[in-house]
Amino acid sequence: DTGVSQDPRHKITKRGQNVTFRCDPISEHNRLYWYRQTLGQGPEFLTYFQNEAQLEKSRLLSDRFSAERPKGSFSTLEIQRTEQGDSAMYLCASSYQGERGGYTFGSGTRLTVV
Amino acid sequence: QKEVEQDPGPLSVPEGAIVSLNCTYSNSAFQYFMWYRQYSRKGPELLMYTYSSGNKEDGRFTAQVDKSSKYISLFIRDSQPSDSATYLCATGYGGSQGNLIFGKGTKLSVKP
Repeated sequence: DTGVSQDPRHKITKRGQNVTFRCDPISEHNRLYWYRQTLGQGPEFLTYFQNEAQLEKSRLLSDRFSAERPKGSFSTLEIQRTEQGDSAMYLCASSYQGERGGYTFGSGTRLTVV
Repeated sequence: QKEVEQDPGPLSVPEGAIVSLNCTYSNSAFQYFMWYRQYSRKGPELLMYTYSSGNKEDGRFTAQVDKSSKYISLFIRDSQPSDSATYLCATGYGGSQGNLIFGKGTKLSVKP
């Protein structure tokens, strides 16, 4: 197992376009999390899944953001009608049923909206 | 008041120094505590994880949690230039709540 994998590593898009990111968690982990990190800040929680169920969403997550985890394996995060304020690093993490042992993060997808 | 406060630094130390990194948190309901290391343009890497008050040691790293004062620390002994990174503290409620709450991170530079 190579850890948490995120694709793409970098994405540049024009304002108003839709973008989709993919995360492949560690295979035995049933929880998957999405975070957003801007320069000089710690990661901010967006949403998390236990298996295929989306259990929690942050108030930060506007209607333009949607996440899915079909079949409880990989997950996608879509941002519709991107805005310049969406420029950030989008991080995915996974864990096994709760927090014991910590969360394992991927390398992130860096989004730049121009 | 933010839920987790962390001095962003930057902190610069000579090689071999003992480094002390600290965070405070506001909610006594937080149950578990983590320290992550993040190199530039990379994802956070878990260094230490603990549930209870007291010390936890792993090699050159020691995590300390004082729940009575809501204070968490990470000590790095014999610091190396390769330790230069941003260190993030994180905490959470546990159970079904998946929200990890991070500090801003402290940028550490270890000079050879």
